[in-house]
Amino acid sequence: DAGVIQSPRHEVTEMGQEVTLRCKPISGHDYLFWYRQTMMRGLELLIYFNNNVPIDDSGMPEDRFSAKMPNASFSTLKIQPSEPRDSAVYFCASRSGTGTYGYTFGSGTRLTVV
Amino acid sequence: QKEVEQDPGPLSVPEGAIVSLNCTYSNSAFQYFMWYRQYSRKGPELLMYTYSSGNKEDGRFTAQVDKSSKYISLFIRDSQPSDSATYLCAMSASNNDMRFGAGTRLTVKP
Repeated sequence: DAGVIQSPRHEVTEMGQEVTLRCKPISGHDYLFWYRQTMMRGLELLIYFNNNVPIDDSGMPEDRFSAKMPNASFSTLKIQPSEPRDSAVYFCASRSGTGTYGYTFGSGTRLTVV
Repeated sequence: QKEVEQDPGPLSVPEGAIVSLNCTYSNSAFQYFMWYRQYSRKGPELLMYTYSSGNKEDGRFTAQVDKSSKYISLFIRDSQPSDSATYLCAMSASNNDMRFGAGTRLTVKP
């Protein structure tokens, strides 16, 4: 398995622009998580899905952030409009619902908003 | 007070040393405890996990959980330069809302 795949690896955008981050979880994993990592706040859970349904989005910082999972093999995290304080590394992770502990993380998307 | 407290270090040790990494937490509902290793510009990778209290050993790594003290530890024996990374503790009540510590940056010098 290729693991959790995220794209793009790097994104530089101007303030006010829309940004879309993409994630392909491991096949067969029915939980998908979006995290944000910054030096100041560490790894923060933004939202997670179970069987493509959003379960807990209490970590989404503002209405500017939205996430979707239209099918079991694809999820997006969208920021509209983007702001400089959104600059961070965004990680997607997935796990199986049975018999496993811990998450498998992707390599992350490094977002810079200028 | 943060839910999970972890000393960010940095921690520098000579090759072959025993490394001790620790976290404390405040939420008594936590029962899934994990350690992740993160190399620079990479995603975290699962190193060890423990459910509820007790010890777990895997090669040079030992994880300990003391729920009465709300304290978890990771020990690395015979540390190697390749162990140089940031180590993150993580814990959860349900295995679905994992809360991470700030991470401890470890350098093992040859």
